Amino acid sequence: SAVISQKPSRDICQRGTSLTIQCQVDSQVTMMFWYRQQPGQSLTLIATANQGSEATYESGFVIDKFPISRPNLTFSTLTVSNMSPEDSSIYLCSVEVGETQYFGPGTRLLVL
Amino acid sequence: GENVEQHPSTLSVQEGDSAVIKCTYSDSASNYFPWYKQELGKGPQLIIDIRSNVGEKKDQRIAVTLNKTAKHFSLHITETQPEDSAVYFCAASMRMGNQGGKLIFGQGTELSVKP
Repeated sequence: SAVISQKPSRDICQRGTSLTIQCQVDSQVTMMFWYRQQPGQSLTLIATANQGSEATYESGFVIDKFPISRPNLTFSTLTVSNMSPEDSSIYLCSVEVGETQYFGPGTRLLVL
Repeated sequence: GENVEQHPSTLSVQEGDSAVIKCTYSDSASNYFPWYKQELGKGPQLIIDIRSNVGEKKDQRIAVTLNKTAKHFSLHITETQPEDSAVYFCAASMRMGNQGGKLIFGQGTELSVKP
């Protein structure tokens, strides 16, 4: 299994600003994922972040809006840039260990 | 691409009754089907999963069944307890060997178990 922590756990931000979310894992993992969960909705994959390579973004998500860093095998960051109220969501970090994807507790973001 | 439909969106049962949540998927190449439980204010937690070479898997009060021909899979919870109340998500992916595949999630089912 994997123990995942995210910082911050929640934040309230003003539109036009940016927020960087950190994800820390207690073991080295190759594949890390970032998901968005809009209020009352399901999970949507934003991008896959593998150490040593550029993140792979899903349709509808672009690097300029959601830049990702993956400096080592236990850490990743997701930045939500130039935020608008539509970016209000839970952002979840996930890692793959063996066959299983484990999720962090999420970062709850409210944009005013 | 893959699409996963999940029903019902809400489910209310009495404590001790059974609960069944159903999902259908569109891509016949999908071969891995996990179920997650998400409690309020927390991230999703894996509760059970099944691969396409197995028709049924059970873990205590939880079971999952898979019908590859019909492309649907179901979660069964028996003897429900109030602590089973949460949102449940099904997902599907195509795995190759030990490599992970992108998870496509269903819309979620909010289960409420009334004492």
